[in-house]
Amino acid sequence: GEDVEQSLFLSVREGDSSVINCTYTDSSSTYLYWYKQEPGAGLQLLTYIFSNMDMKQDQRLTVLLNKKDKHLSLRIADTQTGDSAIYFCAERKGNTPLVFGKGTRLSVIA
Amino acid sequence: NAGVTQTPKFQVLKTGQSMTLQCAQDMNHNSMYWYRQDPGMGLRLIYYSASEGTTDKGEVPNGYNVSRLNKREFSLRLESAAPSQTSVYFCASSGWDRNYGYTFGSGTRLTVV
Repeated sequence: GEDVEQSLFLSVREGDSSVINCTYTDSSSTYLYWYKQEPGAGLQLLTYIFSNMDMKQDQRLTVLLNKKDKHLSLRIADTQTGDSAIYFCAERKGNTPLVFGKGTRLSVIA
Repeated sequence: NAGVTQTPKFQVLKTGQSMTLQCAQDMNHNSMYWYRQDPGMGLRLIYYSASEGTTDKGEVPNGYNVSRLNKREFSLRLESAAPSQTSVYFCASSGWDRNYGYTFGSGTRLTVV
């Protein structure tokens, strides 16, 4: 498809793991990113993965990349109320601007 | 703190008025971008500037103009505001950093009545 696809909503209980999924468009994309947007704020780069990697772990965050299926996921372990935000997936294709998904709104229930 | 600064943070315009949104970055980044964010639409690219002296249209350029004033500054102008331009506007920049990711400003919330 032409768009970076994400589900719009995810709700999890505090302490559980959250998994946010993304399908991107181009198997030759070089970098894939996850951004976090808290209410009333701009987007912050959360983590990224280079296309020659399958997995990247950074503290509570795990990024998995399946190039064959063009599927990217972000797992947040031990989800906290402070993780409530909108999470955007983005891909870099060559030198063109990043293409963003529409964002997944994560709600954490205490 | 290093980053992207946008002004103003909030603005209310009447239909037909004009205004310029300002953006400045102090990270020596080559590329700068303007996005708008609307509910359910995600981020849509309005214009970008890959390097000083160049600008290109994005996905939704109609009704907007941009100026890359110098390497630091990239402004977005609405010549005749319309209610459909009510949105939150984000400026971003990127350089030859390790991951080529974007740094975003905190946004301008614009309402056109």
